Amino acid sequence: SQQGEEDPQALSIQEGENATMNCSYKTSINNLQWYRQNSGRGLVHLILIRSNEREKHSGRLRVTLDTSKKSSSLLITASRAADTASYFCATDALNTPLVFGKGTRLSVIA
Amino acid sequence: DAGITQSPRHKVTETGTPVTLRCHQTENHRYMYWYRQDPGHGLRLIHYSYGVKDTDKGEVSDGYSVSRSKTEDFLLTLESATSSQTSVYFCAISGDLIETQYFGPGTRLLVL
Repeated sequence: SQQGEEDPQALSIQEGENATMNCSYKTSINNLQWYRQNSGRGLVHLILIRSNEREKHSGRLRVTLDTSKKSSSLLITASRAADTASYFCATDALNTPLVFGKGTRLSVIA
Repeated sequence: DAGITQSPRHKVTETGTPVTLRCHQTENHRYMYWYRQDPGHGLRLIHYSYGVKDTDKGEVSDGYSVSRSKTEDFLLTLESATSSQTSVYFCAISGDLIETQYFGPGTRLLVL
């Protein structure tokens, strides 16, 4: 399976600190995406990074992709209580739907 | 939620009864998906559709069927609900198979 696996499963930090979560996958991909899910809600797309990209930024989010190691990381800088959520990576391959990992639960303590 | 609605939002049913969940979109996206989310398993694809009357199975399709008679509607049917199908069900849409997906608010289903 090409399913991404997030690490750690859970992360608790203080407000203002940076949060880093990682995603590893098994097979070659076209793109890797990160999603956020607030409690009781549907997933919301955060960022997409293509296989030929190494780094991408969006506001306080920084995503890196290392295709040689089949891994990606999501960095949230200067975290806020509102960043408390679960974060999922999703990978794809040619002609197959996205496959989501099991997620990292982030708690940001005010 | 990007023009996606799910109905019902909550349902309690008994083992053995049929259940149909509806996903409705106003975005005219080609692809529609049904997922279930369970603790410890993350999000798992049940079925997806790539056009009217065009559907394919996902990772956990046993016990589920789908239909798409109009671009905007994607129905998920549990022919005979079992307790193992207690879950939160999410519908999603996308313009293409590997593009960004937009999720509905979810349906909480409890099978007693």
